[in-house]
Amino acid sequence: EVHLLESGGGLVQPGGSLRLSCAASGFTFSNYAMSWVRQAPGKGLEWVSGISASGGHTYYADSVKGRFSISRDNSRDTLYLQMNSLRAEDTAVYYCAKRGGYGDYTVDYWGQGTLVTVSS
Amino acid sequence: QSALTQPRSVAGSPGQSVTISCTGTSSDVGGNNFVSWYQQYPGKAPKLMIYEVSKRPSGVPDRFSGSKSGNTASLTISGLQAEDEADYHCYSYAGSYTWVFGGGTKLTVL
Repeated sequence: EVHLLESGGGLVQPGGSLRLSCAASGFTFSNYAMSWVRQAPGKGLEWVSGISASGGHTYYADSVKGRFSISRDNSRDTLYLQMNSLRAEDTAVYYCAKRGGYGDYTVDYWGQGTLVTVSS
Repeated sequence: QSALTQPRSVAGSPGQSVTISCTGTSSDVGGNNFVSWYQQYPGKAPKLMIYEVSKRPSGVPDRFSGSKSGNTASLTISGLQAEDEADYHCYSYAGSYTWVFGGGTKLTVL
């Protein structure tokens, strides 16, 4: 069974940094592209970033480009999101998401999310 | 990377059918067949209900169906049940390995 467990969320001041992790299990992590998706309180979902299976290609939403960095460690079955220069509008639940079970363009599994709050 | 447009809420009675629309542009919804729909209960992670416009993952009831016309995709739920009350999000590939979501629709079963 696919399992994705995010960690690393918390309260951070504007301008601060945070690194999220997502531990994957139940599938061959190195074979699948992964994504981060966020959901601000009471709002819809927003795609944040994606990474290829090998980690060689990364992609970002305009709203986080230059501030966030996605990476993965296939030897540890773990996905990361380094978030710098955080703003109040980055406050959200951040979900780790797996692609590829139903084609490379579809997210098929999600973690339970980790809450990031940016506030002074 | 503008969000896709969904109605904020829809409602229907048990046994009825409801349709949720998702309108984008020729750069996303209208430009490919990689539209997905997710069901989300409050405080829970989303669940894949429809992928590639109209395909259903194993385990999803055939009461859920998807379609697309031009820049608008649609999710139809027939034979509404109380358990269908949830938020529904559409999601489309937008080119250059970027994706865009709709704002989400709250379905109320009356």
